[in-house]
Amino acid sequence: AQKITQTQPGMFVQEKEAVTLDCTYDTSDPSYGLFWYKQPSSGEMIFLIYQGSYDQQNATEGRYSLNFQKARKSANLVISASQLGDSAMYFCAMREPDNYGQNFVFGPGTRLSVLP
Amino acid sequence: GAVVSQHPSWVICKSGTSVKIECRSLDFQATTMFWYRQFPKQSLMLMATSNEGSKATYEQGVEKDKFLINHASLTLSTLTVTSAHPEDSSFYICSASGQGAEKLFFGSGTQLSVL
Repeated sequence: AQKITQTQPGMFVQEKEAVTLDCTYDTSDPSYGLFWYKQPSSGEMIFLIYQGSYDQQNATEGRYSLNFQKARKSANLVISASQLGDSAMYFCAMREPDNYGQNFVFGPGTRLSVLP
Repeated sequence: GAVVSQHPSWVICKSGTSVKIECRSLDFQATTMFWYRQFPKQSLMLMATSNEGSKATYEQGVEKDKFLINHASLTLSTLTVTSAHPEDSSFYICSASGQGAEKLFFGSGTQLSVL
């Protein structure tokens, strides 16, 4: 079963506007972490933001914020004031314990295109 | 943030040869390293998890004799693609996590092209 779901294969947003990238997850473990990574065309994976399952407040990092709704098991990424350089693939990921320590699972990704 | 260095960035090799990819954590001790494979326009597919000093744990369907992983020190893990074939052509990316660390840091990836 898919543990991380990103329902938007592609998204367009006008420069300077805000955009929300959806992510839902599935886990039965009470302790987990949620991540968003950006992958530009160069291929590198850039860490954006982290939310722990026990964190009371939504995580924020500059123009990035994570809308964490635990009961709904969603962790949407909000990018405010989009810039042309934000055009990239965005992956939602979850870290949960397993028999070997930690297991990271990635979603299928959303391709964001910022329009001038 | 922590830095993970991956080399080479790209490699072209002949079919039948072996290719080694290095992944180094530069400013932290990586107790666990992960190796992923990524096809164009797809997500990262976990190949194996390696803990320092122990054998790597391979995901189902990944041939351990084909993709040799060594994690001999807390700062270095290597992936060797043995007897590479054109179907092994892909983007390979490593990541590393420190003891008790929450975040996962990635190398810059290696584009392998087998002719």
